Amino acid sequence: EAGVTQFPSHSVIEKGQTVTLRCDPISGHDNLYWYRRVMGKEIKFLLHFVKESKQDESGMPNNRFLAERTGGTYSTLKVQPAELEDSGVYFCASSQEFRREQYFGPGTRLTVT
Amino acid sequence: AQSVTQLGSHVSVSEGALVLLRCNYSSSVPPYLFWYVQYPNQGLQLLLKYTTGATLVKGINGFEAEFKKSETSFHLTKPSAHMSDAAEYFCAVSDPVRGNNRLAFGKGNQVVVIP
Repeated sequence: EAGVTQFPSHSVIEKGQTVTLRCDPISGHDNLYWYRRVMGKEIKFLLHFVKESKQDESGMPNNRFLAERTGGTYSTLKVQPAELEDSGVYFCASSQEFRREQYFGPGTRLTVT
Repeated sequence: AQSVTQLGSHVSVSEGALVLLRCNYSSSVPPYLFWYVQYPNQGLQLLLKYTTGATLVKGINGFEAEFKKSETSFHLTKPSAHMSDAAEYFCAVSDPVRGNNRLAFGKGNQVVVIP
């Protein structure tokens, strides 16, 4: 069974540009989560999808971040326009319905210069 | 709000010695508890979890953790460290209320195993 995959693995962009991160969850997992780790800080929750609906987006830092999960399969996280403080590693995770164990992808390292 | 405390960002342990990583949480109700490990250039891998039932839980790679409600702790141990245990370890909690699945993480412990 394939795990959670994320694309790209690394992205370097300039301040003001737009970047879109993609996450493909484990097949059949209704729950999809985005987290972020800024250097030197703990991993922070961003949002939670159940199928295509946003269950909890309380961790989204501001309206420059837009997450979508059309069709309840893969998800994208767009940052527009990117700021220096958006640099970090963005993790995606998924879990089965009614299960609490979350399975994480390898992350996307975003560097904003 | 829930919070997790992991003291000591870097932990050095000799090969064959006990590995002990401490995790304390702050929560209004006993949460669900998790330990994750991240090996270099990989994603987070679930080591073990506690939801209900037996408070001593065993995980993969010889690790175990004990939930102590009175101490609000969930410390991770392994009797004998192996070189392959060098990685970063994260303690995480989530609210047992249904539908509230988000994880709150500690800052992580980078474990170095000394030959």
